[in-house]
Amino acid sequence: DGGITQSPKYLFRKEGQNVTLSCEQNLNHDAMYWYRQDPGQGLRLIYYSQIVNDFQKGDIAEGYSVSREKKESFPLTVTSAQKNPTAFYLCASSMTNQPQHFGDGTRLSIL
Amino acid sequence: SQKIEQNSEALNIQEGKTATLTCNYTNYSPAYLQWYRQDPGRGPVFLLLIRENEKEKRKERLKVTFDTTLKQSLFHITASQPADSATYLCACGPGAGSYQLTFGKGTKLSVIP
Repeated sequence: DGGITQSPKYLFRKEGQNVTLSCEQNLNHDAMYWYRQDPGQGLRLIYYSQIVNDFQKGDIAEGYSVSREKKESFPLTVTSAQKNPTAFYLCASSMTNQPQHFGDGTRLSIL
Repeated sequence: SQKIEQNSEALNIQEGKTATLTCNYTNYSPAYLQWYRQDPGRGPVFLLLIRENEKEKRKERLKVTFDTTLKQSLFHITASQPADSATYLCACGPGAGSYQLTFGKGTKLSVIP
C-alpha cells in the first residue's frame, strides 16, 4: 500500500536534547512538508522540499532543521533551540498543485 | 500573506440533516481550495479540491462551492451520519507552481444521533 509513514508515534525530549522525527513516503511524490499542529491552531508549515537536496523554510522554521537526501525521506530534527517543542508534528507529500497526503503524526512531549 | 478563517470552531447537527461549514479567505483569490477531514490523533485526509474557475464540486454526499466575490468556500455534507463527526480543515493554494498550502484552524463537526 502506498502512503506516508511517520515514526515514532510518541516521542519525549529532555532539556537540551535534539530529537529527530522520521518521515518516509512510497508515493513517488516530488514534494514533502513538515507541519506543526497545536491545540486550537491550524497547521503551520515548518519546512518543505520540492526536490531532493533542496528545501525551503516555512513560517516557523526557527529551532528546526531538515534534510532531503533521498526522494522518499524527509526527516525533521527538533533542536534544543526550539523552546516550545511540545506539539503534534505532521509530515505530508504531494505532486505540484495536487492534494497533500499526510502521515499519522508524531506527538512530541518534554520530559 | 493569505489568511484562512473557518468561522465556527464547533458545529453540532442532528443526524440526517445537512451540515454546512464555512471557509473565508482574506487576501488574494487562491488558485484552488481544498477540504480535509481530520480524526483525533490522525493526520488530515483529503476530501475535495475546487479550482477558482469552478463554482461547485460534488463527491457522493459532499459538495463544495467557491465564490470569489464573497471570498468564500462552503462545504456541505448531506444526510449527515455520526461517522461524519470529525474536524474539517480548509486550505488554499496560491497559484501554479507553488506547493504551499495555508490551512484554517478547522471546524469540529459533531453529528448527534
